[in-house]
Amino acid sequence: DSGVTQTPKHLITATGQRVTLRCSPRSGDLSVYWYQQSLDQGLQFLIQYYNGEERAKGNILERFSAQQFPDLHSELNLSSLELGDSALYFCASSVGLGGSELTDTQYFGPGTRLTVL
Amino acid sequence: SQKIEQNSEALNIQEGKTATLTCNYTNYSPAYLQWYRQDPGRGPVFLLLIRENEKEKRKERLKVTFDTTLKQSLFHITASQPADSATYLCALVDVGRRALTFGSGTRLQVQP
Repeated sequence: DSGVTQTPKHLITATGQRVTLRCSPRSGDLSVYWYQQSLDQGLQFLIQYYNGEERAKGNILERFSAQQFPDLHSELNLSSLELGDSALYFCASSVGLGGSELTDTQYFGPGTRLTVL
Repeated sequence: SQKIEQNSEALNIQEGKTATLTCNYTNYSPAYLQWYRQDPGRGPVFLLLIRENEKEKRKERLKVTFDTTLKQSLFHITASQPADSATYLCALVDVGRRALTFGSGTRLQVQP
């Protein structure tokens, strides 16, 4: 158990809908990262937050947004869903904000499997 | 453009043998490189980190090498076991960037 929790575990929805994925980082970790992993694809970095502020952005679509709250949990919002958005969405957390080997090991949650029908 | 390449073909080996996985990168100047293990449907788990000035790192049956001239890292599992079967991902952070970038991973299958 990494200490990172994600809810829900599974989500099935229809095209055009909007969903929210939730992540609670490990106790003491200030950074939260979101990744998308499609079937047989690698991990695609979406976005990072550090202590409530956006820190780094990857290939995140404009239909997707995220935020990190004062209690450090994070939510990833996916809107106008398309079939191609079906994937595993992972949240990870780390102590540091990035760029430091001492604090950058990422701890991943169990993921949310999103199915868009 | 920046690339991290791992063998997309699965690696099949016999139990007890040494598995060697490769990670090559282009247009990165990594400060360090990490290796993760991912089981199907689960999140990656951190295994090892090696710094740019380290040639080799060991942890139990795992050994990682890092050659910044060749722009390559090798990941070895000695005395492999069926329980080692998983996908192994390398990840690195560019000196000027803030986020880890992951390779697509190599699937290892250890046959009993």
